[in-house]
Amino acid sequence: DIVMTQGALPNPVPSGESVSITCRSSKSLLYSDGKTYLNWYLQRPGQSPQLLIYWMSTRASGVSDRFSGSGSGTDFTLKISGVEAEDVGVYYCQQGLEFPDTFGAGTKLELK
Amino acid sequence: EVQILETGGGLVKPGGSLRLSCATSGFNFNDYFMNWVRQAPGKGLEWVAQIRNKNYNYATYYAESLEGRVTISRDDSKSSVYLQVSSLRAEDTAIYYCTRSVPKTGTFDYWGQGVMVTVSS
Repeated sequence: DIVMTQGALPNPVPSGESVSITCRSSKSLLYSDGKTYLNWYLQRPGQSPQLLIYWMSTRASGVSDRFSGSGSGTDFTLKISGVEAEDVGVYYCQQGLEFPDTFGAGTKLELK
Repeated sequence: EVQILETGGGLVKPGGSLRLSCATSGFNFNDYFMNWVRQAPGKGLEWVAQIRNKNYNYATYYAESLEGRVTISRDDSKSSVYLQVSSLRAEDTAIYYCTRSVPKTGTFDYWGQGVMVTVSS
Protein backbone atom coordinates (compact mmCIF):
# COMPACT_ATOMS: atom_id res chain seq x y z
CA ASP A 1 0.00 0.00 0.00
CA ILE A 2 1.10 3.57 -0.63
CA VAL A 3 1.95 5.26 2.67
CA MET A 4 1.03 8.91 3.09
CA THR A 5 2.98 10.91 5.69
CA GLN A 6 1.84 14.35 6.80
CA GLY A 7 3.73 17.06 8.65
CA ALA A 8 2.53 18.97 11.69
CA LEU A 9 1.75 22.66 12.16
CA PRO A 10 3.17 24.89 14.90
CA ASN A 11 -0.21 25.36 16.53
CA PRO A 12 -1.88 27.62 17.41
CA VAL A 13 -1.55 29.76 14.31
CA PRO A 14 -2.32 33.51 14.41
CA SER A 15 -5.30 34.53 12.36
CA GLY A 16 -4.24 36.01 9.02
CA GLU A 17 -0.98 34.11 8.86
CA SER A 18 -0.20 31.87 5.91
CA VAL A 19 0.58 28.21 6.58
CA SER A 20 1.79 25.24 4.57
CA ILE A 21 0.88 21.64 5.26
CA THR A 22 3.15 18.97 3.87
CA CYS A 23 2.42 15.46 2.68
CA ARG A 24 4.74 12.81 1.31
CA SER A 25 3.87 9.61 -0.52
CA SER A 26 5.92 6.40 -0.54
CA LYS A 27 5.43 6.12 -4.30
CA SER A 28 5.17 8.68 -7.07
CA LEU A 29 1.55 9.70 -7.65
CA LEU A 30 2.27 11.02 -11.15
CA TYR A 31 0.43 8.87 -13.66
CA SER A 32 1.05 8.43 -17.37
CA ASP A 33 -1.92 10.67 -18.15
CA GLY A 34 0.05 13.60 -16.73
CA LYS A 35 -2.13 13.92 -13.63
CA THR A 36 -0.86 13.61 -10.09
CA TYR A 37 -3.40 11.71 -8.02
CA LEU A 38 -3.09 13.59 -4.76
CA ASN A 39 -6.10 15.13 -3.04
CA TRP A 40 -6.59 17.32 0.02
CA TYR A 41 -9.58 17.34 2.37
CA LEU A 42 -10.61 19.43 5.36
CA GLN A 43 -12.60 17.96 8.22
CA ARG A 44 -13.98 20.72 10.39
CA PRO A 45 -14.85 19.81 14.00
CA GLY A 46 -17.92 17.60 14.12
CA GLN A 47 -18.30 17.53 10.33
CA SER A 48 -17.64 15.21 7.42
CA PRO A 49 -14.51 15.73 5.35
CA GLN A 50 -14.84 17.99 2.33
CA LEU A 51 -12.74 17.97 -0.81
CA LEU A 52 -10.48 21.00 -1.17
CA ILE A 53 -7.93 20.16 -3.86
CA TYR A 54 -7.73 17.31 -6.36
CA TRP A 55 -5.07 16.23 -8.85
CA MET A 56 -2.54 18.01 -6.60
CA SER A 57 -3.41 21.56 -7.60
CA THR A 58 -7.01 21.89 -8.83
CA ARG A 59 -9.41 23.55 -6.40
CA ALA A 60 -12.76 21.84 -5.94
CA SER A 61 -15.91 23.75 -6.74
CA GLY A 62 -16.64 26.52 -4.26
CA VAL A 63 -13.28 26.32 -2.49
CA SER A 64 -11.67 29.64 -1.61
CA ASP A 65 -8.66 30.71 -3.67
CA ARG A 66 -6.81 31.10 -0.35
CA PHE A 67 -6.19 27.35 -0.71
CA SER A 68 -3.57 26.20 -3.18
CA GLY A 69 -1.88 22.88 -3.82
CA SER A 70 1.54 22.15 -5.27
CA GLY A 71 4.24 19.53 -5.34
CA SER A 72 6.15 16.92 -7.25
CA GLY A 73 5.47 13.20 -7.67
CA THR A 74 6.03 12.36 -4.01
CA ASP A 75 6.17 15.62 -2.05
CA PHE A 76 3.17 17.87 -1.75
CA THR A 77 2.12 21.10 -0.08
CA LEU A 78 -1.22 22.63 0.75
CA LYS A 79 -0.89 26.35 1.33
CA ILE A 80 -3.51 28.40 3.13
CA SER A 81 -3.03 32.13 2.56
CA GLY A 82 -4.38 34.16 5.44
CA VAL A 83 -5.83 31.62 7.87
CA GLU A 84 -9.39 32.34 8.99
CA ALA A 85 -11.56 30.89 11.75
CA GLU A 86 -13.44 28.69 9.27
CA ASP A 87 -10.18 26.96 8.31
CA VAL A 88 -9.85 25.28 11.70
CA GLY A 89 -9.94 21.51 11.57
CA VAL A 90 -7.93 18.53 10.40
CA TYR A 91 -6.44 18.40 6.91
CA TYR A 92 -5.92 15.07 5.18
CA CYS A 93 -4.02 14.21 2.05
CA GLN A 94 -5.12 11.14 0.08
CA GLN A 95 -3.71 9.25 -2.86
CA GLY A 96 -6.09 8.10 -5.55
CA LEU A 97 -3.53 6.47 -7.83
CA GLU A 98 -4.09 2.87 -6.87
CA PHE A 99 -6.12 0.68 -4.52
CA PRO A 100 -6.36 0.84 -1.66
CA ASP A 101 -6.87 4.58 -1.55
CA THR A 102 -4.89 5.74 1.44
CA PHE A 103 -4.96 8.85 3.60
CA GLY A 104 -2.37 10.64 5.66
CA ALA A 105 -2.86 10.70 9.43
CA GLY A 106 -4.10 14.28 9.29
CA THR A 107 -2.71 17.68 10.23
CA LYS A 108 -4.57 19.71 12.80
CA LEU A 109 -4.92 23.46 12.40
CA GLU A 110 -5.75 25.50 15.47
CA LEU A 111 -6.20 29.26 15.54
CA LYS A 112 -4.72 31.60 18.10
CA GLU B 1 -27.91 19.89 -4.70
CA VAL B 2 -26.01 16.68 -4.04
CA GLN B 3 -27.33 14.88 -0.96
CA ILE B 4 -25.98 11.71 0.63
CA LEU B 5 -27.63 10.18 3.67
CA GLU B 6 -26.42 7.12 5.52
CA THR B 7 -28.62 5.00 7.78
CA GLY B 8 -28.43 1.69 9.56
CA GLY B 9 -25.79 2.26 12.20
CA GLY B 10 -26.07 1.36 15.84
CA LEU B 11 -24.80 -0.88 18.60
CA VAL B 12 -23.89 -4.41 17.56
CA LYS B 13 -22.41 -7.28 19.55
CA PRO B 14 -19.06 -8.73 18.50
CA GLY B 15 -19.58 -11.36 15.84
CA GLY B 16 -22.78 -9.71 14.67
CA SER B 17 -23.68 -8.23 11.30
CA LEU B 18 -24.95 -4.92 10.05
CA ARG B 19 -26.22 -3.48 6.79
CA LEU B 20 -25.60 0.18 6.14
CA SER B 21 -27.63 2.07 3.55
CA CYS B 22 -26.80 5.23 1.68
CA ALA B 23 -29.50 7.13 -0.17
CA THR B 24 -28.47 9.80 -2.64
CA SER B 25 -30.12 12.54 -4.67
CA GLY B 26 -29.27 15.59 -6.70
CA PHE B 27 -27.07 13.93 -9.30
CA ASN B 28 -27.18 11.18 -11.90
CA PHE B 29 -26.28 8.23 -9.67
CA ASN B 30 -25.58 5.99 -12.67
CA ASP B 31 -22.60 8.11 -13.69
CA TYR B 32 -20.64 7.72 -10.47
CA PHE B 33 -18.62 5.27 -8.43
CA MET B 34 -19.61 4.99 -4.77
CA ASN B 35 -17.47 4.27 -1.74
CA TRP B 36 -17.53 3.68 1.99
CA VAL B 37 -14.86 5.33 4.11
CA ARG B 38 -14.69 4.89 7.89
CA GLN B 39 -13.19 6.79 10.80
CA ALA B 40 -12.58 5.21 14.18
CA PRO B 41 -13.16 7.52 17.18
CA GLY B 42 -10.41 10.14 17.30
CA LYS B 43 -8.58 8.54 14.40
CA GLY B 44 -8.00 9.19 10.70
CA LEU B 45 -9.78 8.09 7.56
CA GLU B 46 -9.75 4.56 6.14
CA TRP B 47 -11.18 3.64 2.75
CA VAL B 48 -13.34 0.51 3.03
CA ALA B 49 -14.91 -0.34 -0.32
CA GLN B 50 -15.82 0.92 -3.78
CA ILE B 51 -18.43 -0.11 -6.29
CA ARG B 52 -18.17 1.15 -9.85
CA ASN B 53 -21.02 1.93 -12.18
CA LYS B 54 -22.59 -0.05 -15.00
CA ASN B 55 -20.04 1.20 -17.51
CA TYR B 56 -17.41 -0.56 -15.41
CA ASN B 57 -19.52 -3.67 -14.87
CA TYR B 58 -20.28 -2.77 -11.25
CA ALA B 59 -16.78 -3.89 -10.26
CA THR B 60 -16.13 -3.94 -6.52
CA TYR B 61 -12.97 -3.36 -4.50
CA TYR B 62 -12.32 -3.83 -0.81
CA ALA B 63 -9.75 -2.89 1.78
CA GLU B 64 -7.66 -5.93 2.56
CA SER B 65 -8.31 -5.54 6.29
CA LEU B 66 -12.01 -6.16 5.76
CA GLU B 67 -12.04 -8.43 2.73
CA GLY B 68 -14.25 -11.44 3.26
CA ARG B 69 -16.35 -9.63 5.86
CA VAL B 70 -17.81 -6.82 3.76
CA THR B 71 -19.95 -6.62 0.67
CA ILE B 72 -20.75 -3.40 -1.16
CA SER B 73 -23.73 -3.25 -3.50
CA ARG B 74 -25.83 -0.65 -5.28
CA ASP B 75 -29.34 -0.23 -6.60
CA ASP B 76 -29.30 2.27 -9.44
CA SER B 77 -33.11 2.37 -9.52
CA LYS B 78 -33.05 3.71 -5.95
CA SER B 79 -29.85 5.78 -6.27
CA SER B 80 -28.61 3.90 -3.24
CA VAL B 81 -25.55 2.00 -2.12
CA TYR B 82 -25.21 -0.53 0.68
CA LEU B 83 -22.51 -2.03 2.87
CA GLN B 84 -23.00 -5.39 4.54
CA VAL B 85 -20.50 -6.05 7.31
CA SER B 86 -20.31 -9.36 9.13
CA SER B 87 -18.24 -10.91 11.93
CA LEU B 88 -17.99 -7.46 13.49
CA ARG B 89 -15.11 -6.75 15.85
CA ALA B 90 -14.47 -3.97 18.36
CA GLU B 91 -12.00 -2.42 15.91
CA ASP B 92 -14.82 -1.96 13.39
CA THR B 93 -16.28 0.69 15.69
CA ALA B 94 -16.27 3.85 13.60
CA ILE B 95 -18.25 6.45 11.73
CA TYR B 96 -18.95 5.06 8.27
CA TYR B 97 -19.15 7.65 5.51
CA CYS B 98 -20.73 7.11 2.12
CA THR B 99 -18.83 9.02 -0.56
CA ARG B 100 -19.12 9.70 -4.25
CA SER B 101 -16.31 9.42 -6.77
CA VAL B 102 -16.13 10.70 -10.32
CA PRO B 103 -14.91 7.72 -12.37
CA LYS B 104 -11.15 7.43 -12.68
CA THR B 105 -10.38 10.54 -10.64
CA GLY B 106 -9.37 8.82 -7.39
CA THR B 107 -11.29 11.54 -5.57
CA PHE B 108 -14.09 11.52 -3.01
CA ASP B 109 -15.92 14.65 -4.05
CA TYR B 110 -19.02 14.43 -1.88
CA TRP B 111 -19.48 12.86 1.56
CA GLY B 112 -22.49 12.01 3.64
CA GLN B 113 -22.73 13.03 7.28
CA GLY B 114 -21.77 9.53 8.39
CA VAL B 115 -23.37 6.85 10.52
CA MET B 116 -21.93 5.50 13.77
CA VAL B 117 -21.35 1.80 14.23
CA THR B 118 -20.41 0.63 17.72
CA VAL B 119 -19.31 -2.95 18.28
CA SER B 120 -19.51 -3.84 21.94
CA SER B 121 -20.92 -6.50 24.20
